[in-house]
Amino acid sequence: GAGVSQSPSNKVTEKGKDVELRCDPISGHTALYWYRQSLGQGLEFLIYFQGNSAPDKSGLPSDRFSAERTGGSVSTLTIQRTQQEDSAVYLCASSRGLAGGLMTYEQYFGPGTRLTVT
Amino acid sequence: TQLLEQSPQFLSIQEGENLTVYCNSSSVFSSLQWYRQEPGEGPVLLVTVVTGGEVKKLKRLTFQFGDARKDSSLHITAAQPGDTGLYLCAAPDAGGTSYGKLTFGQGTILTVHP
Repeated sequence: GAGVSQSPSNKVTEKGKDVELRCDPISGHTALYWYRQSLGQGLEFLIYFQGNSAPDKSGLPSDRFSAERTGGSVSTLTIQRTQQEDSAVYLCASSRGLAGGLMTYEQYFGPGTRLTVT
Repeated sequence: TQLLEQSPQFLSIQEGENLTVYCNSSSVFSSLQWYRQEPGEGPVLLVTVVTGGEVKKLKRLTFQFGDARKDSSLHITAAQPGDTGLYLCAAPDAGGTSYGKLTFGQGTILTVHP
């Protein structure tokens, strides 16, 4: 079946511009996560959506970052007034989440969007 | 939020050598996962361990969960260049109200030279 897809795969933008990154999770997965990864580094958690619950935004680094998930499926991560330090790979993951009273933690990742701010 | 410490951070070895990567915490985990990430791709789940003392094998990879469920190790036998990548451990976030969230270790970058 189809995995998690992200678009665009690469994005180059000028400092100060806004960018939107898109994530299409696996169909039926109730949980969706956004992470940021700098070159060769681990994953920095950004935001987590679980079903209709309020998202966990505790990882967003500043108010320039926001995300939404429409209809419990597709998610968009928006970065306003981009800065050079925003340059990184942005990864999206989904999981079955809470289903049948059980929480599933295994996450399935997309290939990421490489953002370069010049 | 619990902290997962991985060691070593970098590992550069020759083909055919054995290696072990460690993931440690002061917290007790309900389960723990290992992921591998190759350049230009997202992480891919390798295994989930749940029971203290559990050992799981995946071809040349052996995963062990500590008896107290506070630590885990990944052992690779006779490493191959195809094993090159970033290895990440992850565990459910025990604190806060964010049920379903994972905490990731900082990763181990493995390079296997032919």
